[in-house]
Amino acid sequence: GAGVSQSPSNKVTEKGKDVELRCDPISGHTALYWYRQSLGQGLEFLIYFQGNSAPDKSGLPSDRFSAERTGGSVSTLTIQRTQQEDSAVYLCASSSRDSNQPQHFGDGTRLSIL
Amino acid sequence: KQEVTQIPAALSVPEGENLVLNCSFTDSAIYNLQWFRQDPGKGLTSLLLIQSSQREQTSGRLNASLDKSSGRSTLYIAASQPGDSATYLCAVSPLGSGYSTLTFGKGTMLLVSP
Repeated sequence: GAGVSQSPSNKVTEKGKDVELRCDPISGHTALYWYRQSLGQGLEFLIYFQGNSAPDKSGLPSDRFSAERTGGSVSTLTIQRTQQEDSAVYLCASSSRDSNQPQHFGDGTRLSIL
Repeated sequence: KQEVTQIPAALSVPEGENLVLNCSFTDSAIYNLQWFRQDPGKGLTSLLLIQSSQREQTSGRLNASLDKSSGRSTLYIAASQPGDSATYLCAVSPLGSGYSTLTFGKGTMLLVSP
């Protein structure tokens, strides 16, 4: 597709369950970012992938959060043993390697933990 | 730690008015600054990107300025229209990171009335 695609668009799950969120970046974009948007917290950086380099995981809030990027394209963000404070919108963005190019965002996954 | 503040948090204006949104950041060692627009339930759309060596960028009715030494940026919207109603987010990327991990403000929610 022409833009960044995220799935599912909405996810409701029970506390303690694991969830997987998917991101398809724009074709040819080597950089991929995950952000979390919570009420009152704004947008927080979670993790960054660039090509085949080791990812920057410095924004992950706990070891329950992990992410993979297979083949330099699709990425999956996994949250294990979900807690209510994990409820948020998870946004994915991609950009070309040139860091002066804007990031292009998907519409996000709205995650609700009951 | 970089902090980004946006003022006002919300703004309501009648159609046709010119308006200014403000963004300030605490660490002037930035690589670039970006302004985004977010519509309800959607991801972010990049509006303007200003490199640290630049003073301003223009796109249509939008003009963004950057004063790095004072840690300030403004987004000027001319002849506002109801379609401009959205949340506007300012974000900065750190100098020396080699990539654009962004620190976001919490946004200004703009409502333009017909």
